[in-house]
Amino acid sequence: QSVLTQPPSVSAAPGQKVTISCSGSSSNIGNNYVSWYQQLPGTAPKLLIYDNNKRPSGIPDRFSGSKSGTSATLGITGLQTGDEADYYCGTWDSSLSASYVFGTGTKVTVL
Amino acid sequence: QVQLVQSGAEVKKPGASVKVSCKVSGYTLTELSMHWVRQAPGKGLEWMGGFDPEDGETIYAQKFQGRVTMTEDTSTDTAYMELSSLRSEDTAVYYCAATGTLEDWFDPWGQGTLVTVSS
Repeated sequence: QSVLTQPPSVSAAPGQKVTISCSGSSSNIGNNYVSWYQQLPGTAPKLLIYDNNKRPSGIPDRFSGSKSGTSATLGITGLQTGDEADYYCGTWDSSLSASYVFGTGTKVTVL
Repeated sequence: QVQLVQSGAEVKKPGASVKVSCKVSGYTLTELSMHWVRQAPGKGLEWMGGFDPEDGETIYAQKFQGRVTMTEDTSTDTAYMELSSLRSEDTAVYYCAATGTLEDWFDPWGQGTLVTVSS
């Protein structure tokens, strides 16, 4: 059972904007950097955002990340059909013993 | 550019062990910290463990301690994940994923290895 909570699904029309929330606690998001991963159907996850709001080379600026307190948010603007995927947040958790935790995952549907 | 290539799909019986490999190219394994993540059919991502460069040791998720072993062969730049006492709930795609020095994100990922546990 994941300690990071995301909405199961979000949807919007092409060209619109969606936001995905990731809620955690002081032992994870509150004191660590957050990453976001995109998983297209049938493929391995791919890094989308790291250190809360940084984009790796090749990731368009339509994708953005932010963090406030114990929550993080992924934003996707100018939604495209190719953005239909599952999105996961992730961070380290320092409760008990160090472990990496992923969010529950959010399915983005382009209407 | 770092690339991770994993071994092929496996079918195992309950109680058996499985060993999945992850070959690094573009970098040497010593320049990376390798982690393993699994994904059961239709489910989310689950971190299993990985190398902690601060301690120089491999750390495992509590759920898998005693049942998983992660090793590396630096002569071939290949990482391994062995899971023992397999049960049906271990049926999943297993991914290796790398982090660099002082990084806490996973990039890149291997293509995944499907492990099916069935009698």
